[in-house]
Amino acid sequence: EAGVVQSPRYKIIEKKQPVAFWCNPISGHNTLYWYLQNLGQGPELLIRYENEEAVDDSQLPKDRFSAERLKGVDSTLKIQPAELGDSAVYLCASSLVGANTGELFFGEGSRLTVL
Amino acid sequence: GNSVTQMEGPVTLSEEAFLTINCTYTATGYPSLFWYVQYPGEGLQLLLKATKADDKGSNKGFEATYRKETTSFHLEKGSVQVSDSAVYFCALSGGNTGFQKLVFGTGTRLLVSP
Repeated sequence: EAGVVQSPRYKIIEKKQPVAFWCNPISGHNTLYWYLQNLGQGPELLIRYENEEAVDDSQLPKDRFSAERLKGVDSTLKIQPAELGDSAVYLCASSLVGANTGELFFGEGSRLTVL
Repeated sequence: GNSVTQMEGPVTLSEEAFLTINCTYTATGYPSLFWYVQYPGEGLQLLLKATKADDKGSNKGFEATYRKETTSFHLEKGSVQVSDSAVYFCALSGGNTGFQKLVFGTGTRLLVSP
């Protein structure tokens, strides 16, 4: 079974440029998460989807960040414009709704460097 | 709100040494507790979990016991291997943030030398 797939793995951009990250969750997983991981820190939740509905986006900086999950499968996280402080790893994870097990399946992450 | 505190790393050990990585938590209610591991170049993966007080989670020789009285969930392994070198994250869910939201600690890097 394929795991969570993210792309690109690495991205280097100049500040003020836009950037987008894509995530394909495990087949059948209704819940999708985007986490931000700064260097030397643990992941922090940006947004959680149940199917196509964003049920927790309280930590998403909505002035420059946006996300969508069309058709309740793939998801895209966008930053526009990027700032130097956005340099980090962006993690996507998925899980089964209602499982309440706390087991999230993570992708390898997309590492963003803003120059 | 909920939070997790881990010991800072890196933790450097020789092969076959005993490992302890400390983790304490703050949460209301009765959270579930987890250890996730991130091997070099890979995504985070669940190592073990415990969902109620006094439960012991175990996997791959690692163990952790949910201690409500000390609000701790320390990770232990009796004999580490070079292949255990990774970053270990303690996490919780539940309490006042719901079971679908994981709150992570800052991670502890383990380096095991031959």
